[in-house]
Amino acid sequence: NAGVTQTPKFQVLKTGQSMTLQCAQDMNHNSMYWYRQDPGMGLRLIYYSASEGTTDKGEVPNGYNVSRLNKREFSLRLESAAPSQTSVYFCASSEGTAGNTIYFGEGSWLTVV
Amino acid sequence: QKEVEQNSGPLSVPEGAIASLNCTYSDRGSQSFFWYRQYSGKSPELIMFIYSNGDKEDGRFTAQLNKASQYVSLLIRDSQPSDSATYLCAVKSAGNNRKLIWGLGTSLAVNP
Repeated sequence: NAGVTQTPKFQVLKTGQSMTLQCAQDMNHNSMYWYRQDPGMGLRLIYYSASEGTTDKGEVPNGYNVSRLNKREFSLRLESAAPSQTSVYFCASSEGTAGNTIYFGEGSWLTVV
Repeated sequence: QKEVEQNSGPLSVPEGAIASLNCTYSDRGSQSFFWYRQYSGKSPELIMFIYSNGDKEDGRFTAQLNKASQYVSLLIRDSQPSDSATYLCAVKSAGNNRKLIWGLGTSLAVNP
């Protein structure tokens, strides 16, 4: 049982480049999330998808776009990477959004130079 | 601004002792409380969660809620060096169906 799988695990980008972080879950969860985690800032929600076909902004959506491709997959795109986007990114999923436990992927370490 | 606060630590305890971690929250309407453990370089993993109606015990871990004072505690009995990690508290409020509010975490060091 893989749970939440995200790729790539590590990536170095140059400023201005674009990339997509991929995420898939095999738990038949309705809701999916993208977080970033930075020292001293904690986990911050970038975007979430309450159910297939819907996406909503979280706390820090600027510079990112998302696509809920189907129930399993939720991708995060950086259109023009900036050094401020250097972070660890976590994809997560939950059965619903109302108080359900969130399960995290292993993380993607992104460095923008 | 709804907040969740944790002492950043590090909290240092000897092996075999009880570790007590606290998390305060500002929204009195909060209904669900989650404790996650995060090892360095790894993703958060759920330890346990409780609802506003009561405490919970699971093995060496106990989560306790004090609604009057608006804090939730995680007690780790017989602490082991493998418990050394950062513990994240997350709170979901009644009127916010989509997002958890996260604390910054408390670093725990269990010394052999």
